[in-house]
Amino acid sequence: ETGVTQTPRHLVMGMTNKKSLKCEQHLGHNAMYWYKQSAKKPLELMFVYSLEERVENNSVPSRFSPECPNSSHLFLHLHTLQPEDSALYLCASSQAPHSNQPQHFGDGTRLSIL
Amino acid sequence: DAKTTQPPSMDCAEGRAANLPCNHSTISGNEYVYWYRQIHSQGPQYIIHGLKNNETNEMASLIITEDRKSSTLILPHATLRDTAVYYCIVSNQGGKLIFGQGTELSVKP
Repeated sequence: ETGVTQTPRHLVMGMTNKKSLKCEQHLGHNAMYWYKQSAKKPLELMFVYSLEERVENNSVPSRFSPECPNSSHLFLHLHTLQPEDSALYLCASSQAPHSNQPQHFGDGTRLSIL
Repeated sequence: DAKTTQPPSMDCAEGRAANLPCNHSTISGNEYVYWYRQIHSQGPQYIIHGLKNNETNEMASLIITEDRKSSTLILPHATLRDTAVYYCIVSNQGGKLIFGQGTELSVKP
């Protein structure tokens, strides 16, 4: 139990569907992150939020839309995805993005695009 | 951030110490060394981090050389559940981690 919970664990969707991934952290952290991990590739940072404000967006296509309503919750809204978007999507949290304290990860959502 | 070099794979016998090396010859003075591991189908798990002193916690020990150009993660008594990909990352911010390919550790009975 890492203190970071992601739902759903698995998701299969068509290219025209709209779905959302949810992340919740119970660690009292102020920063939250979305990562993408494709097969045989390293983790890629997608978005960083600090105190509900987006502070980093690493050239992610607009079909991925993050939302951070408070410091404990993070969503990733998905629409009109492509087959190459099939991957493991990981959420993480930390005390603050600029501190030396480590990130703690959830177990991810395995997304498959049909 | 400094880059790291890790062997792609290692084997270790169950019950023995697993020593995972990492080279980070271009590390700068304010960068920490972080270790994570990822067990199949799970998210990365934080193990330990340090700046220049050796560190130990309930999971592992981190030995950093005096010149800080390399480090070793030690799992003192490896079990089958320690089979995972281990990532060594250097960064001056815990919120800015760049994951490489890591070392795939196989613990064998």
